[in-house]
Amino acid sequence: QVQLVQSGAEVKKPGSSVKVSCKASGGTFSNYAMSWVRQAPGQGLEWMGGIIPILGTAIYAQKFQGRVTITADESTSTAYMELSSLRSEDTAVYFCARGGGYGTFDDWGQGTQVTVSS
Amino acid sequence: DIQMTQSPSSLSASVGDRVTITCRASQGISDYLAWFQQKPGKAPKSLIYAASSLQSGVPSRFSGSGSGTDFTLTISSLQPEDSATYYCQHYDNDPYTFGQGTKLEI
Repeated sequence: QVQLVQSGAEVKKPGSSVKVSCKASGGTFSNYAMSWVRQAPGQGLEWMGGIIPILGTAIYAQKFQGRVTITADESTSTAYMELSSLRSEDTAVYFCARGGGYGTFDDWGQGTQVTVSS
Repeated sequence: DIQMTQSPSSLSASVGDRVTITCRASQGISDYLAWFQQKPGKAPKSLIYAASSLQSGVPSRFSGSGSGTDFTLTISSLQPEDSATYYCQHYDNDPYTFGQGTKLEI
């Protein structure tokens, strides 16, 4: 059973960037899609993008194009999500999720709270 | 983008009840539909994929059906631990969107 462990909570200033990590253990990493989904306070779930590490190229939701970068390090089985030009509306819990293909989310990390505040 | 609409937005039911949540896609998505359960302060948990396939370890009281644009999640005999918010999600093409959620109170 795969386990996804995310980095800790972050507090950021508007205009800055945040980078969240997600380390996978207990399963294959390179052949699965690693995705990022966020949830604003009291709101629903929103897909941001994903990457299949062995392919190396990420895909992104159009809403986040140009502001988000998703990468993966096969040597450490870790996926990363970097979001730039942060604004207050980016305050949310960010989840990583693993699935068999893009858009599938079988296993989830515990979530990382990102707070954007001046 | 494909819009996913769930109904109802919330419902209250009793232990042992049979409950059905519906999800409608704004265009046909074949069976590229998943259901998730989320409890407060926790990550979502995958229940069903491919519209009707149960994830490993998920109790058999959960079932899914549908194809095309209309889908249902059924809980055959509610248990106290089923109190949660349920989301449908399509994975036909990106962006991969979720329904707005159905809050189930027991």
